[in-house]
Amino acid sequence: QSVLTQPPSASGTPGQRVTISCSGSSSNIGSNTINWYQQLPGTAPKLLIYSDNQRPSGVPDRFSGSKSGTSASLAISGLQSEDEADYYCAAWDDSLNGWVFGGGTKLTVL
Amino acid sequence: EVQLVESGGGLVKPGGSLRLSCAASGFTFSSYSMNWVRQAPGKGLEWVSSISSSSSYIYYADSVKGRFTVSRDNAKNSLYLQMNSLRAEDTAVYSCARGGGSYPGTGRFDPWGQGTLVTVSS
Repeated sequence: QSVLTQPPSASGTPGQRVTISCSGSSSNIGSNTINWYQQLPGTAPKLLIYSDNQRPSGVPDRFSGSKSGTSASLAISGLQSEDEADYYCAAWDDSLNGWVFGGGTKLTVL
Repeated sequence: EVQLVESGGGLVKPGGSLRLSCAASGFTFSSYSMNWVRQAPGKGLEWVSSISSSSSYIYYADSVKGRFTVSRDNAKNSLYLQMNSLRAEDTAVYSCARGGGSYPGTGRFDPWGQGTLVTVSS
């Protein structure tokens, strides 16, 4: 059981907007910034969003992040087939003194 | 180009030991915290350990505490993970990832190495 809770799956059609949620607690999301990672099939994870809502250079602005209290969301607009991947949220946990990940959300583009 | 390359994985019997290495290049290694993350076959990501830039702060997941030891050699731009008393549930791809700053609890994991597979089986 992961400390951060994500839905196991999400789906959408090309061009659609999808959101992936990540729920935590006051010791992680509630007091620290959240990062999102994208893992394409057979590849290493890649940083997608950091510090709640910042995009690294090279990440399309179709990807956006938000946070409110102890929950966060990743939004993908203008869904494309190449967005089909696993998405993970992560944050530092002050109580555990370690990083915690969500269980991951498998995004399917129909 | 920032690059992280892991090595040292392989097949080991339960109770055995293995030492993983992560060779870093393309950035000032001594200025960044470093991390180990693992992924069991078909499963999600699990944080294993973090070490600050000067090795002053070290953290472990409860699942590996007392069995794994993280270290680094800034002169060699290398990160290590000594894994002892290995169990079947330690079977995973182990990846190193650069942290966002000198302290492990801040920032993000970027970039990640491709990982090295550790299989614990008799």
